[in-house]
Amino acid sequence: QSVLTQPPSASGTPGQRVTISCSGSSSNIGSNAVSWYQQLPGAAPNLLIYNNNQRPSGVPDRFSGSKSGTSASLTISGLQSEDEADYYCAAWDDSLNGLYVFGTGTKVTVL
Amino acid sequence: QLQLQESGPGLVKSSETLSLSCTVSGGSISSSTYYWGWIRQPPGKGLEWIGTIYYGGSTYYNPSLKSRVTISVDTSKNQFSLKLSSVTAADTAIYYCGRHYHDSTVYYSYFDYWGQGTLVTVSS
Repeated sequence: QSVLTQPPSASGTPGQRVTISCSGSSSNIGSNAVSWYQQLPGAAPNLLIYNNNQRPSGVPDRFSGSKSGTSASLTISGLQSEDEADYYCAAWDDSLNGLYVFGTGTKVTVL
Repeated sequence: QLQLQESGPGLVKSSETLSLSCTVSGGSISSSTYYWGWIRQPPGKGLEWIGTIYYGGSTYYNPSLKSRVTISVDTSKNQFSLKLSSVTAADTAIYYCGRHYHDSTVYYSYFDYWGQGTLVTVSS
C-alpha cells in the first residue's frame, strides 16, 4: 500500500557516500515535508531526518536529507558499518481525509 | 526522557478484536503540540501507519483500515489505545506506538519517539 517508492537495496564500502531516493506525488512529498527513519535489525524505527533536512539531536551529521518537487533523498556521507539498516522515507498525504505514508524501504548493506 | 510502552495480548484469534495500549511516561499526553499514533510492521515487511489521535480526541485513520480501527485516549492514565476488529492472519505484525508531531499549517509531520513494539500474532 506504500505510495512512496524507494529502491529495495543500496550498498557501499566504509567511507563511501550512499544516496537513497524516495519518489512520491503532488499530494504527499510535493505538498508536505519528508522525514526519514532508520531501523536497525531487531529494533524499532528511529527518526533520522525531519522537515526534509533537519537532524534530531544525536544524529550524526553524515546523514543529510533533501527534497525537490515530488522526490526526496537521504545521503549517508562516509558510510560506517553501524549504518547497515533499513531506511524508510515518510510524509503526510493530503488525499482523502489525510494519511501518513511510508516508503517501501531500502536495505543498506555495508560491504 | 519521553518513553512509550505498548502492552496487550500477543496472540489474538482470527475474527476477534485486537486491543493494545500505549503508556506514555516522561511527558504528558495532553501536550498541545503533539499527536499520538500507531504503526505496524508485518514480519519481514515495511511500515504501515494505522492512525493518529490528538489528546482532545480528533483522529486520523488509514483509509485501508478505517472500517476496523478505533483509537482512543485516556488522559487520566496518560495512555492511548488501539482496537482493530475482525482480525485475520494479515494483521499479524509488530505494533508500534509513537509520538506524532503533526502541524498541517506548516506541512510538517513525523514520529519522533517510538515504543519498542509488540508482536501480535493472529491465530486461526
